[in-house]
Amino acid sequence: DGGITQSPKYLFRKEGQNVTLSCEQNLNHDAMYWYRQDPGQGLRLIYYSQIVNDFQKGDIAEGYSVSREKKESFPLTVTSAQKNPTAFYLCASSVTGGGSPLHFGNGTRLTVT
Amino acid sequence: KNQVEQSPQSLIILEGKNCTLQCNYTVSPFSNLRWYKQDTGRGPVSLTIMTFSENTKSNGRYTATLDADTKQSSLHITASQLSDSASYICVVSGPGGSYIPTFGRGTSLIVHP
Repeated sequence: DGGITQSPKYLFRKEGQNVTLSCEQNLNHDAMYWYRQDPGQGLRLIYYSQIVNDFQKGDIAEGYSVSREKKESFPLTVTSAQKNPTAFYLCASSVTGGGSPLHFGNGTRLTVT
Repeated sequence: KNQVEQSPQSLIILEGKNCTLQCNYTVSPFSNLRWYKQDTGRGPVSLTIMTFSENTKSNGRYTATLDADTKQSSLHITASQLSDSASYICVVSGPGGSYIPTFGRGTSLIVHP
C-alpha cells in the first residue's frame, strides 16, 4: 500500500539534544511538508520541499533543519535552538505544491524534558 | 494576509444528532477548499474538496457547501456517530503548483452516546 510513514510514534529527549524525525513516502509525490501541531492550535508549517535538493522555510522554521536528498525522504531535525520543541509533528506529501490533497503520516509526538 | 477562520472552536453533540461546522476564508486568489478529519493522535485525512464552481458536495453523511462570493464553507454531519468525534480542519488553496495551503485551527467535535 502506498503511504507516508513517520517514525518513531513517540520520542523522548533531554533538553539540549538534537533529534531527527523520519518521514518516508512511497507515493512518488514531489512535494513534502513538515507541520507542527500544539494543543488547541492549528497546523503550522515548518519547512516544505517541492523538489529534491530544494526546500523552503515555512512560518516557524527557527530551530529546525531539513534535508531532501531523496524524493521519498524528508527528515526533520529539531535542534537545541528550538525553544519549545515538545509538540506533535506531522509530515505530509502531495503531487504538486498547491491544490492537490495533502497525504499525512500519523505523526511523531516529541517530548523534551 | 490569507486567513482561514473556523467556528465553533469546539462542539459537543449527542449521537444521532446533526451538526454544522463553519469556515470563513480570506484566501485570494482561490482554487479549492478541503475539509479534513483528524482523529486524536493521527494525521488528517481529506473528506471533501470544493472548487470555485461547486456549491455542494456529499461524502456519505458529510455534506460540504461553498459560497465563493461570501468566502464561506460549511460541513454538515448527518446522524452523527461516535466515530465522528475528531477535529475537522478547513484548508484553502490558491492556484498554481507552488501555492502552499492555508489551514484553519479546526473544530473539535465530541459525540456523546
